[in-house]
Amino acid sequence: GAVVSQHPSRVICKSGTSVKIECRSLDFQATTMFWYRQFPKQSLMLMATSNEGSKATYEQGVEKDKFLINHASLTLSTLTVTSAHPEDSSFYICSANNAGDTEAFFGQGTRLTVV
Amino acid sequence: KQEVTQIPAALSVPEGENLVLNCSFTDSAIYNLQWFRQDPGKGLTSLLLIQSSQREQTSGRLNASLDKSSGRSTLYIAASQPGDSATYLCGVQGGSEKLVFGKGTKLTVNP
Repeated sequence: GAVVSQHPSRVICKSGTSVKIECRSLDFQATTMFWYRQFPKQSLMLMATSNEGSKATYEQGVEKDKFLINHASLTLSTLTVTSAHPEDSSFYICSANNAGDTEAFFGQGTRLTVV
Repeated sequence: KQEVTQIPAALSVPEGENLVLNCSFTDSAIYNLQWFRQDPGKGLTSLLLIQSSQREQTSGRLNASLDKSSGRSTLYIAASQPGDSATYLCGVQGGSEKLVFGKGTKLTVNP
């Protein structure tokens, strides 16, 4: 199957700082990538749809100014958590579909801890 | 709004046992359904994808079925092994490529 790489796998940051998470499709091009958030023992919740060359589409209740998404190329989307607070601590996962393929492939996830 | 439910939330079985995980969804107008495995602190690994026009898919010891009209899918694991211990997630895709997930079933296979 297709490979999606996410970096970093773990990050600890201080309150008020910003953190950037990268999601790369290694062996295919993805015009669309998805960013999810997962709380302990909870389901994955879609945060936003990242569209190559255009603005991201955010789900209801997700602050677009806090969670900045950039999809500048067909193989890379980035999620920046700005002015992070402890309540932003969570597990963030990205996914992508190979063009014309309906199967979703996920990155390894990023554990963010804000102290 | 699509809602996905997975039952049971947790399951513990002895090695070698066959087992069934259940997934139900409220909106039958789906494009496909995907079963994933998630190990602690890790991302999701795709196990099986069932298109809306299909009834089942098989891969090794895994078999997934889909009854779209009743809003149900099952994941059957044959001859379970300790390495199968993980959380299994069901994801349902509607018209867009977005997936709606259940909370998962945490499976423990005891040696």
